[in-house]
Amino acid sequence: RKEVEQDPGPFNVPEGATVAFNCTYSNSASQSFFWYRQDCRKEPKLLMSVYSSGNEDGRFTAQLNRASQYISLLIRDSKLSDSATYLCVVNRSGGYNKLIFGAGTRLAVHP
Amino acid sequence: DVKVTQSSRYLVKRTGEKVFLECVQDMDHENMFWYRQDPGLGLRLIYFSYDVKMKEKGDIPEGYSVSREKKERFSLILESASTNQTSMYLCASNSGINQPQHFGDGTRLSIL
Repeated sequence: RKEVEQDPGPFNVPEGATVAFNCTYSNSASQSFFWYRQDCRKEPKLLMSVYSSGNEDGRFTAQLNRASQYISLLIRDSKLSDSATYLCVVNRSGGYNKLIFGAGTRLAVHP
Repeated sequence: DVKVTQSSRYLVKRTGEKVFLECVQDMDHENMFWYRQDPGLGLRLIYFSYDVKMKEKGDIPEGYSVSREKKERFSLILESASTNQTSMYLCASNSGINQPQHFGDGTRLSIL
């Protein structure tokens, strides 16, 4: 089993739609969680950190469920510019400063 | 803004060559990382460094070595390049444990 698992997609949604991605992780001792965004043939860029109480940044909402070991990302009012691959990232507790990246979920927003 | 710069965007080398990939960051970060990214596999950690002259193996160190002589620079070395090392290589840095990592633009390396 992979340490971080994501549905690869693609998710094809119209502009204005709400879309949610889930991610599961296997290490119950993990303490840090992030969502990164990666555009085609570009480097990953931090989208947002994920906090225990859940957090929101504009149209983006991240949730953490420690008991079930999953993280979610909700995007409201999708824009064409949201089209990208979204990477779920979890730290590997016990390993010095190691982040484990999911393979990513691809989102395509169409007019 | 954090700036992580990789020396080449695209590189083509031959099997058996020694290949150097360079990475420089301008934010005085202690920690630097080298990953490779392959379709369907996500980013996999090759090596990382938490201080000058310090290095730690990641998940897939075989066939690679690294050098960190200065805090701002972290080099990845392919001792004898092989075709299975054709990949996208990404350098990253961060300021501390559990902090998000900032990536360079990546080097798309092809080994023929």
